[in-house]
Amino acid sequence: SAVISQKPSRDICQRGTSLTIQCQVDSQVTMMFWYRQQPGQSLTLIATANQGSEATYESGFVIDKFPISRPNLTFSTLTVSNLSPEDSSIYLCSVGQGAGDTGELFFGEGSRLTVL
Amino acid sequence: AQSVAQPEDQVNVAEGNPLTVKCTYSVSGNPYLFWYVQYPNRGLQFLLKYITGDNLVKGSYGFEAEFNKSQTSFHLKKPSALVSDSALYFCAVRDSNRDDKIIFGKGTRLHILP
Repeated sequence: SAVISQKPSRDICQRGTSLTIQCQVDSQVTMMFWYRQQPGQSLTLIATANQGSEATYESGFVIDKFPISRPNLTFSTLTVSNLSPEDSSIYLCSVGQGAGDTGELFFGEGSRLTVL
Repeated sequence: AQSVAQPEDQVNVAEGNPLTVKCTYSVSGNPYLFWYVQYPNRGLQFLLKYITGDNLVKGSYGFEAEFNKSQTSFHLKKPSALVSDSALYFCAVRDSNRDDKIIFGKGTRLHILP
């Protein structure tokens, strides 16, 4: 199984600022996913990040608000821009094995964001 | 569109008793089904999955789940609950006819009473 490291593990930010979350994987993976878990809620997929192409965003999420980078097969960043209290959530990075794979996702420990 | 339903927000079970956490799903193709567990302030840990084959799948920590195609269910079970099983459990599904997205249920909080 892949080992996934996320930084920061938690942060408190002011309204209107931005936070960039880093996700590092200990092996090369094709697909990386960013999820949001709002307080007391389930996981909602934000976007799928593939190396060498633009991220694919789910309905309700836009690139201007959640820009994603995927410079190589072991690393990705998610930026949450123009923060508001509604962005307070846990953001989770996860990885899969690739297109057509039936396997499970592996998750990082998450980044807990609090916006004041 | 694919979806997952976990009808119970919380399940309370006495230690040593069997437990069941319910999950039903909806997909257009064949389902790939998963259970994950989340402990406080932690990420999600994979428990088990059903892809094909035997309807009863066994996973980590003594958990198992039964795939029932006619009822579109994938309930999580354990014969004898431990206090340490107390956590948040998520059922998830991937549609074999779609891309690689996994959709999660809203989660069920399992509380094992000592």
